[in-house]
Amino acid sequence: DAKTTQPPSMDCAEGRAANLPCNHSTISGNEYVYWYRQIHSQGPQYIIHGLKNNETNEMASLIITEDRKSSTLILPHATLRDTAVYYCIVMEYGNKLVFGAGTILRVKS
Amino acid sequence: DTGVSQNPRHKITKRGQNVTFRCDPISEHNRLYWYRQTLGQGPEFLTYFQNEAQLEKSRLLSDRFSAERPKGSFSTLEIQRTEQGDSAMYLCASSLRQENTGELFFGEGSRLTVL
Repeated sequence: DAKTTQPPSMDCAEGRAANLPCNHSTISGNEYVYWYRQIHSQGPQYIIHGLKNNETNEMASLIITEDRKSSTLILPHATLRDTAVYYCIVMEYGNKLVFGAGTILRVKS
Repeated sequence: DTGVSQNPRHKITKRGQNVTFRCDPISEHNRLYWYRQTLGQGPEFLTYFQNEAQLEKSRLLSDRFSAERPKGSFSTLEIQRTEQGDSAMYLCASSLRQENTGELFFGEGSRLTVL
């Protein structure tokens, strides 16, 4: 079973930052927070993951609260091509990814 | 193209027929995963291989499903005596790291429609 809670959908204006929240109140000390996205008719795409510290890469930033019970994925300048389903997953290294229903992000012009 | 390749991309079959999907992972990736996704749901784990060894199978994988990865390269997923409930997208993913760090590369999937 998925261990995360995400809003079913969100809208974002093109060019603005998209902030996608995720609750994972039962996360354990060895579990990482992962984000994937899935654009329509494509396979999921890895975005970023982190354990405790905030992380940033060329695609996004991941902000994890100090108690690690929630996190936010930030797409700094959303484009129409960022419209997708975004999955937040918690997983310990060595286990398998368990996907929930995710958040449908609609970027609108 | 150096990504994960899946064939066929689409398959329509009649109930009771057998179907086989093929996945070619990224070269040198030793872990290979199969997931299934139905409309509006996230992908569900089916099974995974470390090289040629099948290390875990989900309870979702009934006796009609079999997966192989001979020689630790490409993999096949066969569904025997298909049922309408098997209609789904079948996704393959691969990973390089010896330990699963969760960074998987997914293919575009094989969509199965059972009539």
